Amino acid sequence: GNSVTQMEGPVTLSEEAFLTINCTYTATGYPSLFWYVQYPGEGLQLLLKATKADDKGSNKGFEATYRKETTSFHLEKGSVQVSDSAVYFCALSANNAGNMLTFGGGTRLMVKP
Amino acid sequence: DAGITQSPRHKVTETGTPVTLRCHQTENHRYMYWYRQDPGHGLRLIHYSYGVKDTDKGEVSDGYSVSRSKTEDFLLTLESATSSQTSVYFCAISEPGNQPQHFGDGTRLSIL
Repeated sequence: GNSVTQMEGPVTLSEEAFLTINCTYTATGYPSLFWYVQYPGEGLQLLLKATKADDKGSNKGFEATYRKETTSFHLEKGSVQVSDSAVYFCALSANNAGNMLTFGGGTRLMVKP
Repeated sequence: DAGITQSPRHKVTETGTPVTLRCHQTENHRYMYWYRQDPGHGLRLIHYSYGVKDTDKGEVSDGYSVSRSKTEDFLLTLESATSSQTSVYFCAISEPGNQPQHFGDGTRLSIL
């Protein structure tokens, strides 16, 4: 079956530090890959997506590249801000009838001033 | 948010009572989903719908039922609430074809 593995948190960084959150996946076929962000007390928001190998998704300074050879979709940001503190979820959709997502367990990011 | 409204946003009720949560969308998306989110378990799918009157079970469907009588509304019912169903419930919508899901703001349900 499909699965998504994320690095466990929390990840604690100082403002302006470089961020990497690792995500690897197992799936049949050619999945689409997503990163979602959840701020405290809110629902999940789509941060970025990639639908085929070597695609790079980007939004709000965050980037992730779909690497089929390493089955990875790592999230990166060059300089984090306190406002980036949230929980980040990696997810995939793999050509299933219900368009269902398989989520990773989430990684909490804490950015200190 | 992508035109998704969950109601109520917060509810406290007692064990054994029926509870219905509502998800309303204005996007005319075909698919709708109900998840629960619990510490240590991430997001788990309860039920989903792939069209009016078409629903199917997810990973944790025991104790829950759903109905979708029109495109815009997807109801989640706990027939007889138990304390183990205390959780935050999220509704999501999407279109077919590996499209992303868009989430509502959640309902915090406490069962005493």
